[in-house]
Amino acid sequence: GAGVSQSPSNKVTEKGKDVELRCDPISGHTALYWYRQRLGQGLEFLIYFQGNSAPDKSGLPSDRFSAERTGESVSTLTIQRTQQEDSAVYLCASSVDSGGRFYEQYFGPGTRLTVT
Amino acid sequence: RKEVEQDPGPFNVPEGATVAFNCTYSNSASQSFFWYRQDCRKEPKLLMSVYSSGNEDGRFTAQLNRASQYISLLIRDSKLSDSATYLCVVNVMIKAAGNKLTFGGGTRVLVKP
Repeated sequence: GAGVSQSPSNKVTEKGKDVELRCDPISGHTALYWYRQRLGQGLEFLIYFQGNSAPDKSGLPSDRFSAERTGESVSTLTIQRTQQEDSAVYLCASSVDSGGRFYEQYFGPGTRLTVT
Repeated sequence: RKEVEQDPGPFNVPEGATVAFNCTYSNSASQSFFWYRQDCRKEPKLLMSVYSSGNEDGRFTAQLNRASQYISLLIRDSKLSDSATYLCVVNVMIKAAGNKLTFGGGTRVLVKP
């Protein structure tokens, strides 16, 4: 079946512009995560959506970052007034994640963001 | 101190040799542990879960030491295709139906002929 998809795959933007990144999770997956991975670094948790619960935004680095999710489907991560330090690969993952038990997270291919 | 720490490597391994590396975690409330594999410019993929009693999957063996708060991964009979970055992942349940994964920075393994 279809995996997690993300778009665009690459985005080059000028400093100060807003960008919107999209994630389509695997159908039926109630949990959706956004991570950031800078070059040569580990994954940095940004935000987590689980069903209809309030999202866990504890990883968002600043108020320039926001994310939304429509039901249990598409999510968009928005970065306003981009800065050069925002350059990274933004990874989305989804999982079944219910009942307090951990289920494997499936990652999308990521969006590579370059801020010039 | 980082929540999850790994030796970044690289570990240069002759083909056919055995390599092992550890990952330490700081949160004693951590409940479950995993190794993910990430190839260059690709997304991470689950390699194996780590169980309290230790577990083996083919050439890969994972162990957990809760007292010392570390997990380990051992790769036997290394193949060229094992070259990748291995991410240590620690899970803390953040609410009744939620999980938060914390990723280590990864250990890079290069298997050479």
